Amino acid sequence: NAGVTQTPKFQVLKTGQSMTLQCAQDMNHEYMSWYRQDPGMGLRLIHYSVGAGITDQGEVPNGYNVSRSTTEDFPLRLLSAAPSQTSVYFCASSYSTGNMETQYFGPGTRLLVL
Amino acid sequence: GENVEQHPSTLSVQEGDSAVIKCTYSDSASNYFPWYKQELGKGPQLIIDIRSNVGEKKDQRIAVTLNKTAKHFSLHITETQPEDSAVYFCAAYQKVTFGTGTKLQVIP
Repeated sequence: NAGVTQTPKFQVLKTGQSMTLQCAQDMNHEYMSWYRQDPGMGLRLIHYSVGAGITDQGEVPNGYNVSRSTTEDFPLRLLSAAPSQTSVYFCASSYSTGNMETQYFGPGTRLLVL
Repeated sequence: GENVEQHPSTLSVQEGDSAVIKCTYSDSASNYFPWYKQELGKGPQLIIDIRSNVGEKKDQRIAVTLNKTAKHFSLHITETQPEDSAVYFCAAYQKVTFGTGTKLQVIP
């Protein structure tokens, strides 16, 4: 198993540009989520999905869109990038939607918005 | 919502000494408390977890204790080694909330 994979590893955007961060998992996990990690602020939940076709907002959803058309993939879209979205983004998955399930994290995408 | 505070933000210990990282949480409904280790350039990885019906859990050199009454839990690493150097995050799950992280440096 490859686990959770994320692409790209690093991206530079100009303000106003759009892009999609890709996330895929091959563990047949139902629950997937996106976090952003900023210095001194830990990991903050952006959006999550409890299964294909179902998504919901986390703590910091503004400026981001998600969709879940398959169990394996959970892309994160930035429609109009802003410097405040400069961060490291992590995708995670877990087997079920239960809140006592181990989450497996991808290696992260470093995003710089100029 | 849930608030998780983690201390200290940085910790330096000599190789072989013990390290303790503490977290407090606010939501008494939280019932699962994992600890993650994040090495440079990588995603967080679960190292140990504890559920609310247990007071202590140990896995070789790593242990976690939970005090539900006081709403705090701690990570204990004994006989620290240079490869333990990383950033450690606690989390409290009712709604998943992470602490702000502790950068542990083990000095050889």
